[in-house]
Amino acid sequence: AQKITQTQPGMFVQEKEAVTLDCTYDTSDPSYGLFWYKQPSSGEMIFLIYQGSYDQQNATEGRYSLNFQKARKSANLVISASQLGDSAMYFCAMREDFNFNKFYFGSGTKLNVKP
Amino acid sequence: DTGVSQDPRHKITKRGQNVTFRCDPISEHNRLYWYRQTLGQGPEFLTYFQNEAQLEKSRLLSDRFSAERPKGSFSTLEIQRTEQGDSAMYLCASSLVRGGLPGEQFFGPGTRLTVL
Repeated sequence: AQKITQTQPGMFVQEKEAVTLDCTYDTSDPSYGLFWYKQPSSGEMIFLIYQGSYDQQNATEGRYSLNFQKARKSANLVISASQLGDSAMYFCAMREDFNFNKFYFGSGTKLNVKP
Repeated sequence: DTGVSQDPRHKITKRGQNVTFRCDPISEHNRLYWYRQTLGQGPEFLTYFQNEAQLEKSRLLSDRFSAERPKGSFSTLEIQRTEQGDSAMYLCASSLVRGGLPGEQFFGPGTRLTVL
């Protein structure tokens, strides 16, 4: 089974609108971490936001927030007030804390922000 | 520049040749990871080090692949007898372990390997 599933290969959003990128995960570890990364066309992976499995509140970092629904095993990324520079690939990742701290990445969502 | 660096950025080689890539992590980071990324896919975990110890290897890492981190600083990834299927971007990342858990990973720019 896939550890991380991102079901949206591509998304479009109008500039200044909010957008939600979906991520579901599969683990039996009681402790894990969830991450989102951005990969622009230049290729370098950029860390955006982190959520620990025991964190009670949803993580926020500026215009990024992580909608963590533990029972549904989902960790959706919400980008508010989209900007043209947000156009990129977005990857959801999980760290399993009892599995040698291995990281698993999803296949990504290509976000295009339209002016 | 205090980020993760990788060398070379691009490598073109003929099938059957050996190649070696280098990664210099952020200096205070004790975890170092290697990933492979093919076009349109997310990074696939290959292996990681805690200081100089290689703690985990993926089944993707065949016996043609070997990684070292001899002094707990830079790391090398060698691919022997390259095959066309090895063509990919090889990413290195480093992180700092806090409270027993690694934090977010900082990625290098990658080495793009093309095997002809």
